[in-house]
Amino acid sequence: GENVEQHPSTLSVQEGDSAVIKCTYSDSASNYFPWYKQELGKGPQLIIDIRSNVGEKKDQRIAVTLNKTAKHFSLHITETQPEDSAVYFCAASGNQFYFGTGTSLTVIP
Amino acid sequence: ETGVTQTPRHLVMGMTNKKSLKCEQHLGHNAMYWYKQSAKKPLELMFVYNFKEQTENNSVPSRFSPECPNSSHLFLHLHTLQPEDSALYLCASSQERQEYSYNSPLHFGNGTRLTVT
Repeated sequence: GENVEQHPSTLSVQEGDSAVIKCTYSDSASNYFPWYKQELGKGPQLIIDIRSNVGEKKDQRIAVTLNKTAKHFSLHITETQPEDSAVYFCAASGNQFYFGTGTSLTVIP
Repeated sequence: ETGVTQTPRHLVMGMTNKKSLKCEQHLGHNAMYWYKQSAKKPLELMFVYNFKEQTENNSVPSRFSPECPNSSHLFLHLHTLQPEDSALYLCASSQERQEYSYNSPLHFGNGTRLTVT
């Protein structure tokens, strides 16, 4: 089956700096890659996703890049704000979703 | 409001109790899922229902019993649980699950925090 690895497990950045979270996957058949944000006491919420026919997608301060050849994809958050502090999960989807172990992001005011 | 509502938010139960978790989705989706979230581990898929039919049981112990009476409601019946079953149980929904394709995003509820004593 699929194996999704996510790094780093924890990340602290100063407010206004950028944050990058990276994931790798093993199954070349995976073709959909969503990112989820989970705040304390809440369930994961979809923040951005990318399909395998696209290399990059951007939504305001959030962007995702996908390198199918290398089997890795990344989440980029620019101009970070304290409300970006949360746990972020990547996932790869072929015939089911496989999730990474999460990155706890702390934005220091 | 997430569109997927789970009750209760917190549950403490003894190993001999029987309890049920409830999930309701207001998104018009036809697929519903139960996931288990434990610290430092990836989300674990437990069960999948597509158009009220169970399509996957991910080797889950029989002390967990799902029920899907219609496309909007999903239950997880709990019986004789173990302390290691303590976790956050998340319900999710999506557009219908197409065979060999999981390209519809999951929409999660806020979960039930279960503690087994």
